Amino acid sequence: GAGVSQTPSNKVTEKGKYVELRCDPISGHTALYWYRQSLGQGPEFLIYFQGTGAADDSGLPNDRFFAVRPEGSVSTLKIQRTERGDSAVYLCASSGGLAGYNEQFFGPGTRLTVL
Amino acid sequence: QKEVEQNSGPLSVPEGAIASLNCTYSDRGSQSFFWYRQYSGKSPELIMFIYSNGDKEDGRFTAQLNKASQYVSLLIRDSQPSDSATYLCAVGGDTNAGKSTFGDGTTLTVKP
Repeated sequence: GAGVSQTPSNKVTEKGKYVELRCDPISGHTALYWYRQSLGQGPEFLIYFQGTGAADDSGLPNDRFFAVRPEGSVSTLKIQRTERGDSAVYLCASSGGLAGYNEQFFGPGTRLTVL
Repeated sequence: QKEVEQNSGPLSVPEGAIASLNCTYSDRGSQSFFWYRQYSGKSPELIMFIYSNGDKEDGRFTAQLNKASQYVSLLIRDSQPSDSATYLCAVGGDTNAGKSTFGDGTTLTVKP
């Protein structure tokens, strides 16, 4: 695809439910990042993949959050037992390939609302 | 204290003026520094990155880095109304991929 895509664009769920957020990076980008952004704040780092492996998961807030990238392309962020405080825009970014790693290209985000 | 600090603004400048945006960071081991622009309701997009002390110019934009003072700035010359956005400063530990730590951004308004 031409850019990073994320699905769904919006997700409304109830407290305690499980959600999956998907990210499809730019073709050929080996690095993939998940951030979340609350209103009025900058993106907060969650996890970074290099290929299939999580190179840095230090930003995951607790064990309710988990992310995978089994084939080194598409990634899924999984949130168990959602809480109202999980409500935010979840941003995915990718980098690498011919453009190098300097620039992280962001997707449009998934707005998660936990009621 | 946040790792990356920015003045939240809003910063308002007239069209054609120079807008100056500032950022300080706490981790002396930081190696890479980025400025992103984020329009309301949109995702961040990279404007510039800088790794070495000094100035780096790209069109109307100049990034300035002073590692000794742990300070990075962005100057926007000949500001245009289309420059009105939130500007995010981000800091990374590695110049070859790796996470970025973002500030909360400075909102810039350029008035016609």
